Amino acid sequence: NAGVTQTPKFQVLKTGQSMTLQCAQDMNHEYMSWYRQDPGMGLRLIHYSVGAGITDQGEVPNGYNVSRSTTEDFPLRLLSAAPSQTSVYFCASRPLAGGSYEQYFGPGTRLTVT
Amino acid sequence: KQEVTQIPAALSVPEGENLVLNCSFTDSAIYNLQWFRQDPGKGLTSLLLIQSSQREQTSGRLNASLDKSSGRSTLYIAASQPGDSATYLCAVISETSYDKVIFGPGTSLSVIP
Repeated sequence: NAGVTQTPKFQVLKTGQSMTLQCAQDMNHEYMSWYRQDPGMGLRLIHYSVGAGITDQGEVPNGYNVSRSTTEDFPLRLLSAAPSQTSVYFCASRPLAGGSYEQYFGPGTRLTVT
Repeated sequence: KQEVTQIPAALSVPEGENLVLNCSFTDSAIYNLQWFRQDPGKGLTSLLLIQSSQREQTSGRLNASLDKSSGRSTLYIAASQPGDSATYLCAVISETSYDKVIFGPGTSLSVIP
């Protein structure tokens, strides 16, 4: 049981480049989400999904795109990278049934945009 | 709108001390409250989950309590060790917006040998 996995662990981009951060979970969780973590700002929700084919915006969605074609995968796309997107990105998942809603996090992707 | 705060922002204690970390939330209508640990440069590790119907949860030297009516949770760490040094975050899921998890800013704990 791998839990929540993220790739890559580290990435350096030039301004204007695009890339996709990968996230996968093997716990059959309906809910998946992306956060960014910045010093002094805490964890901020970017996008989330409550099931395959359903996504919605979080607190800071601008500059990011998501899709959810399967229960397992929830990739985050940076359309045109900007230095303000330098951050650590975390993917998380949790069930929506069963009552506990315990959240599980991936190890993170550290992104630097120059 | 749910807001979560944590006090203190940072804490430094000698090894062996018992300590309490505090988490406050503004909307008492929550599904659950979860405590996480984050080591520098690492992801978040779940420590304890308290559902809204529960008053406390225990795991080893950790005990978390929940008082929904006052909007507070405490994380008690007994007999602290240098390996407990990390940032501790609390997070709540509100009944009115179960699709969003609201995090506190965290408490940075340093346990001095």
